[in-house]
Amino acid sequence: AQSVTQLGSHVSVSEGALVLLRCNYSSSVPPYLFWYVQYPNQGLQLLLKYTSAATLVKGINGFEAEFKKSETSFHLTKPSAHMSDAAEYFCAVSYNYGQNFVFGPGTRLSVLP
Amino acid sequence: DTAVSQTPKYLVTQMGNDKSIKCEQNLGHDTMYWYKQDSKKFLKIMFSYNNKELIINETVPNRFSPKSPDKAHLNLHINSLELGDSAVYFCASSHSGTGGYEQYFGPGTRLTVT
Repeated sequence: AQSVTQLGSHVSVSEGALVLLRCNYSSSVPPYLFWYVQYPNQGLQLLLKYTSAATLVKGINGFEAEFKKSETSFHLTKPSAHMSDAAEYFCAVSYNYGQNFVFGPGTRLSVLP
Repeated sequence: DTAVSQTPKYLVTQMGNDKSIKCEQNLGHDTMYWYKQDSKKFLKIMFSYNNKELIINETVPNRFSPKSPDKAHLNLHINSLELGDSAVYFCASSHSGTGGYEQYFGPGTRLTVT
């Protein structure tokens, strides 16, 4: 069965510091990969997605992620954290044969002043 | 200009009651979904509908029944509510087929069963 792991249920960074949120997937076939953000009391919003084009994907709000097939990873980064980045972040994977998404457990990002 | 909308946003009810949550999308998508998010933020897919046909049902109790009158709507009806049903329920939609289409989510409905 496909699965997605996100290392670290809670990550804290200082404002202006690098943000690194980790995502690994288990799959024997090439996946499509997504990062979503959920602000408090809101729905999920797409940050970026990988669909087998460029391995480095740029998204909204200054975030980017790199697909590394050899490491089965799709880590999310942002060079400089803002207070407004504090939210829950979800990695998700889907496959060619259907629309079913598998979501990771989420990582809560806190940004300290 | 809301893409995926849900009503109500909050729902407080007692055990044993029956309730419905409505979802509508204006994106022209042909697949819609219902997710349950528990208190630990874990997202579990409950159902998806493609062209009015149920294509996923992830071991959800049969007290939960999705109803789709047309491609733009997917309502969730819950019978005999239990305390464990308290959660946030999200509706989502997407295009179908290969191509890695993203899902668009509604704002959620917070259900509290007392």
